[in-house]
Formats: sequence, structure tokens, C-alpha cells
Amino acid sequence: QQQVKQSPQSLIVQKGGISIINCAYENTAFDYFPWYQQFPGKGPALLIAIRPDVSEKKEGRFTISFNKSAKQFSLHIMDSQPGDSATYFCAASKAGGYQKVTFGTGTKLQVIP
Amino acid sequence: GAVVSQHPSWVICKSGTSVKIECRSLDFQATTMFWYRQFPKQSLMLMATSNEGSKATYEQGVEKDKFLINHASLTLSTLTVTSAHPEDSSFYICSARPYREPGGELFFGEGSRLTVL
Repeated sequence: QQQVKQSPQSLIVQKGGISIINCAYENTAFDYFPWYQQFPGKGPALLIAIRPDVSEKKEGRFTISFNKSAKQFSLHIMDSQPGDSATYFCAASKAGGYQKVTFGTGTKLQVIP
Repeated sequence: GAVVSQHPSWVICKSGTSVKIECRSLDFQATTMFWYRQFPKQSLMLMATSNEGSKATYEQGVEKDKFLINHASLTLSTLTVTSAHPEDSSFYICSARPYREPGGELFFGEGSRLTVL
């Protein structure tokens, strides 16, 4: 059972445009929602994360929007750059202790000049 | 940020041999580390949770005798792929959280690419 659904599977955006990736979760016990960026042949790196007590978090060009009632969250990349071309994974985990992280299916982003 | 190191970054072995992959947290202690497997163009699938000083917790469908995990210290976990076969070829990634921050950021290693001939 896929607990975190992610869309789209792939995305092509022009340089300077806005990239939007959406995720939906099922488990209301999830308490931590990170986004990871992965380049080919490398491990994932944390990009930005949010907890359900806020509806939006912004760090530089990256913004997470969170809708607790809809159980959805999204990543917005403003002024997308070719260097942002990578695979992005949303994820979720439960609160407390050493909880495992469940990943979405991933979105391959390509930013074209 | 915190650093998680994996070794080797890539390995090629013959079918039937065993391969050990190390995962080290370089600047923090981690009572729990996680091992993931990733096939090309796919997401990360959790294989097991490695607990320092105790047995690992394996996800459903993961063979415990095939993928041996040992978490001997607060900074080192190892994954041994026993009697490897071509279908075990994959990208293996470990991750860890600083033990003082159980609900915080998860740091990932660079991954280890295993190719079994």
C-alpha cells in the first residue's frame, strides 16, 4: 500500500519558471514531511521540511505548502534553474522516537534553458 | 549538516560471493540507522531499521538471511549481502538521525552501487 502518493512522475519547466510537485498522504499519524533532492548516483539530501502545525514554509526559492485537512502538501520551486534538475521525493514520518521515513514515488524535474 | 559516509561507493562481485557495505555517522551518534534499496528510476524502499546493540527490524518481504545487518556501535552499521546474485544488483543507501534528535532530520549516505555478475 502506497502511503505517500506523489505527482507528477516527471516535469519539464523552463528556466525562471515555477516547478510544482504534489504529494498526498493517508496516515494522519504522520507528523513530519520532508522533501529530498537526489542527483544521479548520489544519496538523497534534505531540501526542506514542514510539520503540520504550519501551512507554509519558505527557504529561499523553495516553499512547502501544507493542507492538513486535505492531507496534501506540495513543493514549489520558484525561478527554477537548470541546476535544480534532479529527482525530488516527498516523504512522511510519524512523530516521536526513531520513526522510519516513507518516501513518495519521486518526480524527475528537468529545467531547460 | 551532519555527515553519513558509506563505503564502498561501488562494488562489483561474482555471483555467490558476499559483500559488506559500511555506513558511518561521522560527526554524530545514531542509535538507529536505516537501510534503503533503490532500483533505477524508482523510489527508495526501506529494507530494515538497524538498532544499536540489538537485532535489526526488517520490512515485510526482505530476507533476513540474505541481508545481514549489524549495528555494532553508535556510529557504524553494516549491511552484508550474502551469496549475492544478479537480482541483488542495486543502489543501497543508508541513513541516520542524531540520537539526540529522534524526530529530526534524517541524513543520508552517498549510496553504494552493487553489481553482481
